[in-house]
Amino acid sequence: EPEVTQTPSHQVTQMGQEVILRCVPISNHLYFYWYRQILGQKVEFLVSFYNNEISEKSEIFDDQFSVERPDGSNFTLKIRSTKLEDSAMYFCASSEEGVPYNEQFFGPGTRLTVL
Amino acid sequence: AQSVSQHNHHVILSEAASLELGCNYSYGGTVNLFWYVQYPGQHLQLLLKYFSGDPLVKGIKGFEAEFIKSKFSFNLRKPSVQWSDTAEYFCAVNAVNSGGYQKVTFGIGTKLQVIP
Repeated sequence: EPEVTQTPSHQVTQMGQEVILRCVPISNHLYFYWYRQILGQKVEFLVSFYNNEISEKSEIFDDQFSVERPDGSNFTLKIRSTKLEDSAMYFCASSEEGVPYNEQFFGPGTRLTVL
Repeated sequence: AQSVSQHNHHVILSEAASLELGCNYSYGGTVNLFWYVQYPGQHLQLLLKYFSGDPLVKGIKGFEAEFIKSKFSFNLRKPSVQWSDTAEYFCAVNAVNSGGYQKVTFGIGTKLQVIP
C-alpha cells in the first residue's frame, strides 16, 4: 500500500539554525499539508499546498516558515531560524486531486528538537 | 472556523470493558469526520471515517463510530477493549473552506490506557 514518507525521523538543531523537513507524498496525490504536534498538545494545521502554491495557512505559519515542492516527488517545510517553541512532531500529509472531501494520508512524522 | 472537542482526556479501562469516547464538532457546512489512533511511538493511523450514508461506521480493530448530525457528535465505541488498544485517539474534522481547499482540524486527543 502506498504511504507518505518523511525524513529525517528525528532532527536536533540549535536555536537560530535553519532546518528543512522532507516529505515524499503518495505519488498520485496533488494536495499536500503540514501539521505539527507539540508534546502533550493536539495536532495543529500549518499549511496546505496545491498547484505549486499555498492554498491555506494557519496563524502559526509565519514568515519563518516556507514550503516548497522542489521536484516531482519531494515536499519540504523550511524553518528559517528555529526557536525553542518550534520543538514538536511535524507531520506531512497528502490527498488526491479532484475530490473536495478526501482522506488525508499522514506520514510517520519528524520529531524536531530545538536546543 | 471549525473546531473539535473531545471530552475525555485520559481514560483508564480494564480489559473487556466497553469504550465510548466523546467527540463534538462545530462547523456550519458539510464535513467529513475521522478518528485517528496514535500508538506509543508510532504515527497517526486512520481508524475510521464518515463521509456520507450510513451514520454508523465501522473501522479497523472492532471500532465503530456514530455520526449524529443533530448533536454534531461523532463518538467512538468499542464493545470490549484489549490491552493493545492502549493509545491516543484523535477525533478530526475535514472541511472545505470558501476557497475550495481542505484542512483537517483535530481534537486534543484522548489517552486510553487499558489495564490487563
